[in-house]
Amino acid sequence: NAGVTQTPKFQVLKTGQSMTLQCAQDMNHNSMYWYRQDPGMGLRLIYYSASEGTTDKGEVPNGYNVSRLNKREFSLRLESAAPSQTSVYFCASTDSSYEQYFGPGTRLTVT
Amino acid sequence: GESVGLHLPTLSVQEGDNSIINCAYSNSASDYFIWYKQESGKGPQFIIDIRSNMDKRQGQRVTVLLNKTVKHLSLQIAATQPGDSAVYFCAESSTGGFKTIFGAGTRLFVKA
Repeated sequence: NAGVTQTPKFQVLKTGQSMTLQCAQDMNHNSMYWYRQDPGMGLRLIYYSASEGTTDKGEVPNGYNVSRLNKREFSLRLESAAPSQTSVYFCASTDSSYEQYFGPGTRLTVT
Repeated sequence: GESVGLHLPTLSVQEGDNSIINCAYSNSASDYFIWYKQESGKGPQFIIDIRSNMDKRQGQRVTVLLNKTVKHLSLQIAATQPGDSAVYFCAESSTGGFKTIFGAGTRLFVKA
């Protein structure tokens, strides 16, 4: 039981490049989330998927798109990376108990 | 917008002492509160939660107190250990909702 896994762990992009962050969970959770964490700040919700087949915007969705590929997988795409998107990205999942289980994070730098 | 914040950004305690981390929340509709611990280089990890129909809940060496009158949440860690050194986040959400709002975090340093 791996919990929540994220790939890649580290990534450096140039401004304008695109990439997809991958997330998978093996806990059969219905809901999945993408957050970003900037220095000295808490986690800010980018997008979430309450259940397979649905996605909704969070607090800071601009510049991102998501896909809930199936119940296990929830990906985050940056179409045209900007330096303001330099951050640590966390994926999380939960069942109806509201406690969220987080992945180890992806550290993204955009130059 | 609604927010969850913390009173102290850093806290330094002696090993063996008790730690108290405070948090203020502003959304009166929130009815579920969670404390997470984040160690360096890792994702946040659930510590303890409390629902709004309670004012205290105890776990192993941790206690969460909820004061709905002043919208205040605290995390108490008994006999703080070096392994407790981390950033602690409070978070709030509402029953039936899918969004959780996180505070900025408090860094706890435990001195040996």
